[in-house]
Amino acid sequence: DGGITQSPKYLFRKEGQNVTLSCEQNLNHDAMYWYRQDPGQGLRLIYYSQIVNDFQKGDIAEGYSVSREKKESFPLTVTSAQKNPTAFYLCASRGASGNSYEQYFGPGTRLTVT
Amino acid sequence: GESVGLHLPTLSVQEGDNSIINCAYSNSASDYFIWYKQESGKGPQFIIDIRSNMDKRQGQRVTVLLNKTVKHLSLQIAATQPGDSAVYFCAEYNNNDMRFGAGTRLTVKP
Repeated sequence: DGGITQSPKYLFRKEGQNVTLSCEQNLNHDAMYWYRQDPGQGLRLIYYSQIVNDFQKGDIAEGYSVSREKKESFPLTVTSAQKNPTAFYLCASRGASGNSYEQYFGPGTRLTVT
Repeated sequence: GESVGLHLPTLSVQEGDNSIINCAYSNSASDYFIWYKQESGKGPQFIIDIRSNMDKRQGQRVTVLLNKTVKHLSLQIAATQPGDSAVYFCAEYNNNDMRFGAGTRLTVKP
């Protein structure tokens, strides 16, 4: 089956610790994205990558870091500098189709920092 | 029933009724729009899309209407079923930038 996987589904961390969220896709998509979802708000873009070894900051990149060493993988690290890290994190990918800009989403990781 | 706006209102409908969910998008230059369905604790799922050169597109039990004059998008679900209960949100795309609405929570009463 083709798709996007995120792990773990739930993650708990103490304040001050860095934590890395996994995102893997086997759709052969070039572009990958990380969003943060908070109650009552639309998805907010953290980072995106259009191609391997390249990534760009989104609207709320502060306190986060990413890497894109492989086409299939786009891990997100939530650092201790992120002031309000508790949220639902969604990873997405998009292919190079000329007819659609649809982003395919993973199942999400709910991060709780106490 | 109808709901309006990019907040997170709730729309409650009776099973079998039609549902209309609305979205006011922000950028008049947006040229592609998507409706997503998100069930609790899960990632969003694509429902239907529409390009700005169209004003209506139909899928299975769903129809999307686009009114560019007033920057308004709607999703109509026919014969709403309990499995349709979820948050629905729209997304607008322009020049490699996609923006998402907060969504509307649809609750279907049996």
